[in-house]
Amino acid sequence: GENVEQHPSTLSVQEGDSAVIKCTYSDSASNYFPWYKQELGKGPQLIIDIRSNVGEKKDQRIAVTLNKTAKHFSLHITETQPEDSAVYFCGGGGGGNKLTFGTGTQLKVEL
Amino acid sequence: EAGVAQSPRYKIIEKRQSVAFWCNPISGHATLYWYQQILGQGPKLLIQFQNNGVVDDSQLPKDRFSAERLKGVDSTLKIQPAKLEDSAVYLCASSPPTDTQYFGPGTRLTVL
Repeated sequence: GENVEQHPSTLSVQEGDSAVIKCTYSDSASNYFPWYKQELGKGPQLIIDIRSNVGEKKDQRIAVTLNKTAKHFSLHITETQPEDSAVYFCGGGGGGNKLTFGTGTQLKVEL
Repeated sequence: EAGVAQSPRYKIIEKRQSVAFWCNPISGHATLYWYQQILGQGPKLLIQFQNNGVVDDSQLPKDRFSAERLKGVDSTLKIQPAKLEDSAVYLCASSPPTDTQYFGPGTRLTVL
């Protein structure tokens, strides 16, 4: 089965700075990699996803990059704002694998 | 479009009691998932339904957990009897015929 590792576990940035969260996966058959944002007391909300036939995807201030050879993918948030503060989870799956999540990154954007 | 609905939002029970959670997926989504999220961890899949059939229940503790989706729409997850280590948030998600999953708000279970 798939194993997903996520780093760092906590990340603190100043407002306006960029934040990068990295994940690695183990099964080369996986072809779908979503990122979720989870605010306190709420369910995970999909913010961006990428499939293995694409190397990069952007949506306004959010981007995800995928390196299939190295089996890692990253979430990039630019111009961070206080409302970006939350726990972010990466996931890996598809291609016959169920979706497996990383352990989460607590992002804190400080004023 | 309405999202995934779950109830109750919070539940406190004593160990050895039973509890049930309900989920209504997004209309038209054939696939439904139940996840367990322990504090400080990512969601862990318990069971996946495709319409009213089970696709994957390999991580469901079947001696105490059960789930059903009788009419291929809403679903219930039951724990009987509950243990202290079952304290967690139980998340329901649904997906159309793609890999994209949409989560509900979850039910926070506390077992005393």
